[in-house]
Amino acid sequence: DAGVTQSPTHLIKTRGQQVTLRCSPKSGHDTVSWYQQALGQGPQFIFQYYEEEERQRGNFPDRFSGHQFPNYSSELNVNALLLGDSALYLCASSSRGDHYGYTFGSGTRLTVV
Amino acid sequence: QKEVEQDPGPLSVPEGAIVSLNCTYSNSAFQYFMWYRQYSRKGPELLMYTYSSGNKEDGRFTAQVDKSSKYISLFIRDSQPSDSATYLCAMSELTGGGNKLTFGTGTQLKVEL
Repeated sequence: DAGVTQSPTHLIKTRGQQVTLRCSPKSGHDTVSWYQQALGQGPQFIFQYYEEEERQRGNFPDRFSGHQFPNYSSELNVNALLLGDSALYLCASSSRGDHYGYTFGSGTRLTVV
Repeated sequence: QKEVEQDPGPLSVPEGAIVSLNCTYSNSAFQYFMWYRQYSRKGPELLMYTYSSGNKEDGRFTAQVDKSSKYISLFIRDSQPSDSATYLCAMSELTGGGNKLTFGTGTQLKVEL
């Protein structure tokens, strides 16, 4: 049973560019959350999608947007990249309302130069 | 002030030692408490979880929650080199379906032979 799959694993972008990260949830999960983890820090909640709608959002600017598809997969888009956006972006899937059933992917390492 | 505070370490102990990891928090609404383990270049994996106050034991691991003091702990007995990782505490509120996690900074643990 595949867990959470994220692509790409690594990415280098230039300031001002746009990036799209992708996530396939664990089989049986319907909720996808995205987290940003800066070096030496804990993951910070960006937003959560359920039934193709953004349900919760953390303290991130509108440059960060997302989408969930009918098959529960998800994309994270970041526009107008800043150097400070360099981080590990983690996707986590779960069943709706399950506080303990998070499964994280291995993340996408984004470097902005 | 961050909602969740965690000593980042690093913490270095000899094999077989008892390890104590701790987090404090300020949000009284947190009801679900978790410990995640994160190996280098991997996503976090759930290690232990508890609901509200109390203790929970699983093999060499014991999780404790003291809601009156807003303090949670993870104890690792007979620590092994394979326990070397970053340990993240995480918490969430009882909400209408959403399960956003708030993480601590993470404590880097090294267990030496």
